[in-house]
Amino acid sequence: EDQVTQSPEALRLQEGESSSLNCSYTVSGLRGLFWYRQDPGKGPEFLFTLYSAGEEKEKERLKATLTKKESFLHITAPKPEDSATYLCALLNAGGTSYGKLTFGQGTILTVHP
Amino acid sequence: EAQVTQNPRYLITVTGKKLTVTCSQNMNHEYMSWYRQDPGLGLRQIYYSMNVEVTDKGDVPEGYKVSRKEKRNFPLILESPSPNQTSLYFCASSPGPSGGSQYFGPGTRLLVL
Repeated sequence: EDQVTQSPEALRLQEGESSSLNCSYTVSGLRGLFWYRQDPGKGPEFLFTLYSAGEEKEKERLKATLTKKESFLHITAPKPEDSATYLCALLNAGGTSYGKLTFGQGTILTVHP
Repeated sequence: EAQVTQNPRYLITVTGKKLTVTCSQNMNHEYMSWYRQDPGLGLRQIYYSMNVEVTDKGDVPEGYKVSRKEKRNFPLILESPSPNQTSLYFCASSPGPSGGSQYFGPGTRLLVL
């Protein structure tokens, strides 16, 4: 069974204090790993897709990387508006669950001014 | 404006009273999906559809039904709601047939008494 584990559960940073969020996974075959941002009371917002180990994607202060067993979301010089829950998700490789997406529990990020 | 819409946004009902939550997207996306989000359990996939008349179970399909008769609509049906189906529900769509970079609706908060 596919498993996605995110750590830490919660992270408090000062504005400008860079850090990383982790998403480790076990899956029979990875077709894609995705990062989302979710603000309270809203639907998740798509950030990045990663397909293979070694791949990196960047957007403003965020950078996502992928290895064979985990992905990191690096946040450089965060601002208070980066405060949100960050979710990672796996897309199943195939078999009878070709389109099934499995989400991690998320990391709640709080950035203090 | 490209969007996923859900109705109703809030619903209070009683055990056993059939209800339908509608989901519609205006982006001509092939893939659509339903999720529920519960504290401590994260976002879990209920059903997904990779195209018209093609649906498949996610991780928590029990007690739910779906249908995909048109590309833009993907209603979620609770034939006999129970209190354990009280949750925040999200519909999502994706341009590809297998999900991934999904666009989420605003959510439907359901309370079953």
